[in-house]
Amino acid sequence: DVKVTQSSRYLVKRTGEKVFLECVQDMDHENMFWYRQDPGLGLRLIYFSYDVKMKEKGDIPEGYSVSREKKERFSLILESASTNQTSMYLCASRWTGGYGYTFGSGTRLTVV
Amino acid sequence: DQQVKQNSPSLSVQEGRISILNCDYTNSMFDYFLWYKKYPAEGPTFLISISSIKDKNEDGRFTVFLNKSAKHLSLHIVPSQPGDSAVYFCAASAQQAGTALIFGKGTTLSVSS
Repeated sequence: DVKVTQSSRYLVKRTGEKVFLECVQDMDHENMFWYRQDPGLGLRLIYFSYDVKMKEKGDIPEGYSVSREKKERFSLILESASTNQTSMYLCASRWTGGYGYTFGSGTRLTVV
Repeated sequence: DQQVKQNSPSLSVQEGRISILNCDYTNSMFDYFLWYKKYPAEGPTFLISISSIKDKNEDGRFTVFLNKSAKHLSLHIVPSQPGDSAVYFCAASAQQAGTALIFGKGTTLSVSS
């Protein structure tokens, strides 16, 4: 089974801090994604990457950046955390030759 | 503009009965659809999918129906069990390189015993 591992389940950060959310997949998948989930808003795409060092903006990239230096690792960076970035963050990788994703367990980030 | 819509935020069903979750889409380029299930504090897990060349796909208690002319799909769970209580997300994809799944806002299913 594909495993997508997010480094932290819960994080509490202060406003203005730079925050790194890490995601690692073990199946050599090319495409990786970051979503955030908020009540009533569903899953919204922040950024995705279809190859090492490649990145594409999703629907809500403002306030975020990403890094993909190695194929297995896709990092989401909150440049200066704000309270409206309190959310559940979900990383996913796309199945090889398929449409579906495997998701990580999520990181519940609280910005105070 | 929402391309994938789940118009019912919540659904309550009794154990043993059928649960029907609905999803509508607007983009005629979508050619593959998936349902994901999500428990609180966990990531979504894949449930079932359907290609646009089919109108039905079945996996155990779960069946997905696709009506392309109406741009509508539905997930049927029979019989419903309390463990099915979760948020269900409908997702759609177009067969284009560099595209991402588009998700609906989700429907919270509650199955009571």
